[in-house]
Amino acid sequence: DSGVTQTPKHLITATGQRVTLRCSPRSGDLSVYWYQQSLDQGLQFLIQYYNGEERAKGNILERFSAQQFPDLHSELNLSSLELGDSALYFCASSPRLKGAADTQYFGPGTRLTVL
Amino acid sequence: GNSVTQMEGPVTLSEEAFLTINCTYTATGYPSLFWYVQYPGEGLQLLLKATKADDKGSNKGFEATYRKETTSFHLEKGSVQVSDSAVYFCALSKSGGGADGLTFGKGTHLIIQP
Repeated sequence: DSGVTQTPKHLITATGQRVTLRCSPRSGDLSVYWYQQSLDQGLQFLIQYYNGEERAKGNILERFSAQQFPDLHSELNLSSLELGDSALYFCASSPRLKGAADTQYFGPGTRLTVL
Repeated sequence: GNSVTQMEGPVTLSEEAFLTINCTYTATGYPSLFWYVQYPGEGLQLLLKATKADDKGSNKGFEATYRKETTSFHLEKGSVQVSDSAVYFCALSKSGGGADGLTFGKGTHLIIQP
């Protein structure tokens, strides 16, 4: 158990809908990262937040957005869903912003299925 | 940009065989390098890491050495077990600021047969 929790575990929805994925980082970790894992694209970094502020963006679509709240939990919002958005979405957390050697601890993931 | 290349497999070995999973990278500067493992139905777990050239990361019998001259970070284990069956991901992180996500390889599916 990494200490990172994600809800829900599974989500099934229809095209065009909007969903929210939730992540609680390990106690004391200030950085939260979101990743998408799909069969065709592999594991891709989406976005990072540090202590409530957006710090880095990866291959995140404009239909997707995220935020980190004062209690440090984070939400990933996916809207106007398409079939291709079906994937495993992972959240990870690490203690600090700086220091590339910081280990990222991954949650169990949310499996999103868009029908 | 940064990229990681690793053999995708599946790699099938017999128990107690020697394991090598190749990983090479392209990056500017001096990235940190990681191996993560994903067991069926679970999230990723850090297996080992190395933060500078010639560093050797090791854990649970697995080892990998950061080779800057060949831009490689190959994963090795002397004697694999059935319980090592999983998907292994090589990844890198930019050095310095750290304000970036990990760049992952495609993953190598390892199957160990008894």
